[in-house]
Amino acid sequence: DTAVSQTPKYLVTQMGNDKSIKCEQNLGHDTMYWYKQDSKKFLKIMFSYNNKELIINETVPNRFSPKSPDKAHLNLHINSLELGDSAVYFCASSQSLSAYNEQFFGPGTRLTVL
Amino acid sequence: AQSVTQLDSQVPVFEEAPVELRCNYSSSVSVYLFWYVQYPNQGLQLLLKYLSGSTLVKGINGFEAEFNKSQTSFHLRKPSVHISDTAEYFCAVISGGSQGNLIFGKGTKLSVKP
Repeated sequence: DTAVSQTPKYLVTQMGNDKSIKCEQNLGHDTMYWYKQDSKKFLKIMFSYNNKELIINETVPNRFSPKSPDKAHLNLHINSLELGDSAVYFCASSQSLSAYNEQFFGPGTRLTVL
Repeated sequence: AQSVTQLDSQVPVFEEAPVELRCNYSSSVSVYLFWYVQYPNQGLQLLLKYLSGSTLVKGINGFEAEFNKSQTSFHLRKPSVHISDTAEYFCAVISGGSQGNLIFGKGTKLSVKP
């Protein structure tokens, strides 16, 4: 049973396209996150959602839009893809925003923009 | 703004040798500190965390870390490494309260050689 799952695992697409990455957690957690890991392995928070409300938006371009149809899902939609969007995107979840709650990470989605 | 510095980008070590991965943080307020491990082509997994109490924290897989407030450090140690410990290790911090997003260091690649 995968706690945090992401689809697809790999995504190769052309510049200018629109794509979505899906994330689901079966842990009953209230908070979900999206992180971006660049080619140098640097990890940075993009968004977090708590009880379906956006809590943090770390100055990412508005081409990126998180969508949460319910508490167990947080999808990432990207418009007009650019070369610089190539990265590994990780979804994570935790019981709440509190530091006392561990964040559980998904396996990642490797996005390549050509 | 808070930041995390991992002083070594790569640490090669022989099997059964001890290892220390260094992490320093910058924050003038209370902090919560974490070490995550990322095995090749996988998501992140929590190794250990310091929230309060004893400054020596023990985690999974025989790892431990010591919080040193005066030196603003949270170095990770293991007395005897295995080949299977080969991975990327990330130090992270939440500061200024018990909620908020993780700020990650740039990671240290630990390579264990036979």
